[in-house]
Amino acid sequence: GNSVTQMEGPVTLSEEAFLTINCTYTATGYPSLFWYVQYPGEGLQLLLKATKADDKGSNKGFEATYRKETTSFHLEKGSVQVSDSAVYFCALRHSGTYKYIFGTGTRLKVLA
Amino acid sequence: DAGVIQSPRHEVTEMGQEVTLRCKPISGHDYLFWYRQTMMRGLELLIYFNNNVPIDDSGMPEDRFSAKMPNASFSTLKIQPSEPRDSAVYFCASSLSAGGGYNEQFFGPGTRLTVL
Repeated sequence: GNSVTQMEGPVTLSEEAFLTINCTYTATGYPSLFWYVQYPGEGLQLLLKATKADDKGSNKGFEATYRKETTSFHLEKGSVQVSDSAVYFCALRHSGTYKYIFGTGTRLKVLA
Repeated sequence: DAGVIQSPRHEVTEMGQEVTLRCKPISGHDYLFWYRQTMMRGLELLIYFNNNVPIDDSGMPEDRFSAKMPNASFSTLKIQPSEPRDSAVYFCASSLSAGGGYNEQFFGPGTRLTVL
């Protein structure tokens, strides 16, 4: 079946450090891929998306590239800020369904 | 738009009591999703509706859980009787299917349920 695997957290970084959060998926066909972010005490919100192979999603300095050959969608940011501290969820949605499959989430802590 | 609205934001109840969580989706959205989030199990999809009709309830843990969507602007998730292991944050989300695209899900702020 379809599944999403994320790296375990927490990830603790100093401000301005480079961030990578790994995400790999298992799916038949060509799913759409997403990163959602959850700030403390809030619901999830869409951070970025990619709908086909080699697409790069980007938003707020975050980027992720849909790599079909490695079934990956790793999240990166060149210089993190304290305000980026949150939980990040990788997710996929298979074509023909409106149901998302979420990873377990990775908590990011950025220290000043 | 006010976004997805959930109530209450916090609920503390005793084991055996009935709990009702409420959700108002974004106006015009035709899909509604209920999720449960715990430290142990992460984010789990419980049930989702399309045009007020339940499409997939395979994630509902057991018969103690039930969900309804009587109209396009309101849904409830009921737990009866509640148990301590039901303690979690429950999220409601909605999305719009029309117009193609990627069908972003918009999440409410969640209801934190504590069953003593």
